[in-house]
Amino acid sequence: QSVLTQPPSASGTPGQRVTISCSGGSSNIGRNPVNWYQQLPGAAPKLLIYTNDQRPSGVPDRFSGSKSGTSASLAISGLQSEDEADYFCATEDANLHGPVFGGGTELTVL
Amino acid sequence: QVQLQESGPGLVKPSETLSLICTVSGGSLTGFHWSWIRQSPGKGLESVGYVYSSGSTNYNPSLRSRVTISIDASKHQFSLRLNSVTAADTAIYYCARGQYYFGLRFDPWGQGTLVTVSS
Repeated sequence: QSVLTQPPSASGTPGQRVTISCSGGSSNIGRNPVNWYQQLPGAAPKLLIYTNDQRPSGVPDRFSGSKSGTSASLAISGLQSEDEADYFCATEDANLHGPVFGGGTELTVL
Repeated sequence: QVQLQESGPGLVKPSETLSLICTVSGGSLTGFHWSWIRQSPGKGLESVGYVYSSGSTNYNPSLRSRVTISIDASKHQFSLRLNSVTAADTAIYYCARGQYYFGLRFDPWGQGTLVTVSS
């Protein structure tokens, strides 16, 4: 059971906008920034969003992140087939004194 | 461009010790948190722990009694030892560079290595 809660699956059609939620608590998202990782099939995770809403160089601006209170969201606009992947949120937890991850959301492009 | 590569046995017997090495190329080890993260088959990600370039460590509380992470800057490597393994430790083990900048983020990651615990 993951510390951060994500929906197990999400889907959308090409060109659509989808959002993936990440819910936590006062000991983690409520006090620390959130990062998002994209894991393409058969590959290692890759940093997608850091510090709630920042994109590393090379990440398209179709990807955006936000945080409010004890929840965070990842939004993907102009959905493309290559966006089909697992997405994980992550932050640090003050009670566990270390990094924690969400269970991951499998995104399907219909 | 920093790259990480895991190496070590892919099969470990129950009750024995899992040992992995991560070799870092293309950058310095100084100032970063060198991390091990695992992913059980079909499941989510779990932090195993990390070692800072100074040698200080942080471990997942659920694994703390069994895990040791160390660094050898002269070899551009850091390592993971997990003892008394069981089938529950079967996972893909990733090494990653952790950086604190308004929070801890992991980038880049190694390709991962599957470790199976079985007799």
